[in-house]
Amino acid sequence: NAGVTQTPKFRVLKTGQSMTLLCAQDMNHEYMYWYRQDPGMGLRLIHYSVGEGTTAKGEVPDGYNVSRLKKQNFLLGLESAAPSQTSVYFCASTSNYGYTFGSGTRLTVV
Amino acid sequence: AQSVTQLDSHVSVSEGTPVLLRCNYSSSYSPSLFWYVQHPNKGLQLLLKYTSAATLVKGINGFEAEFKKSETSFHLTKPSAHMSDAAEYFCVVIPSGSARQLTFGSGTQLTVLP
Repeated sequence: NAGVTQTPKFRVLKTGQSMTLLCAQDMNHEYMYWYRQDPGMGLRLIHYSVGEGTTAKGEVPDGYNVSRLKKQNFLLGLESAAPSQTSVYFCASTSNYGYTFGSGTRLTVV
Repeated sequence: AQSVTQLDSHVSVSEGTPVLLRCNYSSSYSPSLFWYVQHPNKGLQLLLKYTSAATLVKGINGFEAEFKKSETSFHLTKPSAHMSDAAEYFCVVIPSGSARQLTFGSGTQLTVLP
């Protein structure tokens, strides 16, 4: 089925460890986004991309890096995880017709 | 920056009674507005969207929202709540001039009492 796939779905990291979250979409969407969801704060934009090879900062970019080497993939990296990065991460993509969200990645940093 | 404010963090209703979830937006001109729902431990589902075609927007599962420019509001309503409506609801705006990124409100947790 066409859509947005996030991997992994769950992860526990120790403080200081690094990891990469993968977002893959098969709808040929130009725009892709990474959000984090925390209780009482809705979803906040971390980084986004308006096309292959482009990235830009969102509302809460500190501590994260992203890359969009291929149009279908948008990677979110944590170089040195901190407990404040414990959250649920959602990827989304869009064309002119609507937004598609992934099912989320629950990350715990201990 | 354009944003949305959800006026209630929690709303409780009895099953069969009306639902009203309130959202105000800040914008200098007509924005694109959405309501999304998130059931416990689930992803986000689009309920409805406003894109200036009609001020009263009908969505899925009996929900609707009315865009009121004079009040800068986009409240979500449903005539009769069902137990399955218990979830968190987000009012969302696309700021003009943005790269189409969605800006979310802080959410309203809806509880439906039997």
